[in-house]
Amino acid sequence: QKEVEQNSGPLSVPEGAIASLNCTYSDRGSQSFFWYRQYSGKSPELIMFIYSNGDKEDGRFTAQLNKASQYVSLLIRDSQPSDSATYLCAGRTGTASKLTFGTGTRLQVTL
Amino acid sequence: GAVVSQHPSWVICKSGTSVKIECRSLDFQATTMFWYRQFPKQSLMLMATSNEGSKATYEQGVEKDKFLINHASLTLSTLTVTSAHPEDSSFYICSARDLALSEQYFGPGTRLTVT
Repeated sequence: QKEVEQNSGPLSVPEGAIASLNCTYSDRGSQSFFWYRQYSGKSPELIMFIYSNGDKEDGRFTAQLNKASQYVSLLIRDSQPSDSATYLCAGRTGTASKLTFGTGTRLQVTL
Repeated sequence: GAVVSQHPSWVICKSGTSVKIECRSLDFQATTMFWYRQFPKQSLMLMATSNEGSKATYEQGVEKDKFLINHASLTLSTLTVTSAHPEDSSFYICSARDLALSEQYFGPGTRLTVT
């Protein structure tokens, strides 16, 4: 069983819409979660991280964490074609431990 | 965010030769560095974790004698692919973390092609 699961997509949303990317995890010991964006042929880029239950907003991005449901999501408001990429969700059990990545969700923002 | 660099960005080598890839943290001290490999259209695969001054911890299935990792300073880690073969052709990405930062930042990656 994969520890961090994501729908591979592609998730297609029109420009200007809200993109909702979801992630579930199996390890209840996971304490912190990270969202990375990876363009084709490039390395991952950190978008946001979240430790506490609830929402965390940064510009057009909002991360949501529900530890009881073991669910993490990333909302992208006013989606732009430049947001088209693969979004990786990762969890970590402690500050000194390694990240466990999901396989990523490919987002396509259409004109 | 913190900056991590890698050198070279791409390399072509002949089968049987060795290749060294450098990973540097430019504006923070990386107590821990990670090496990943990614094949086309596949997810990231963690190869090993290294802490400064200690031996690297390799993931299951990764040959430590083939992929030599050195993390001699708080800003530099190297990955040497020894006796490279065409199946080692991949995108190698390092990542660095400082406990004070908590977040983990990726380098731009090195594309290795073994002919």
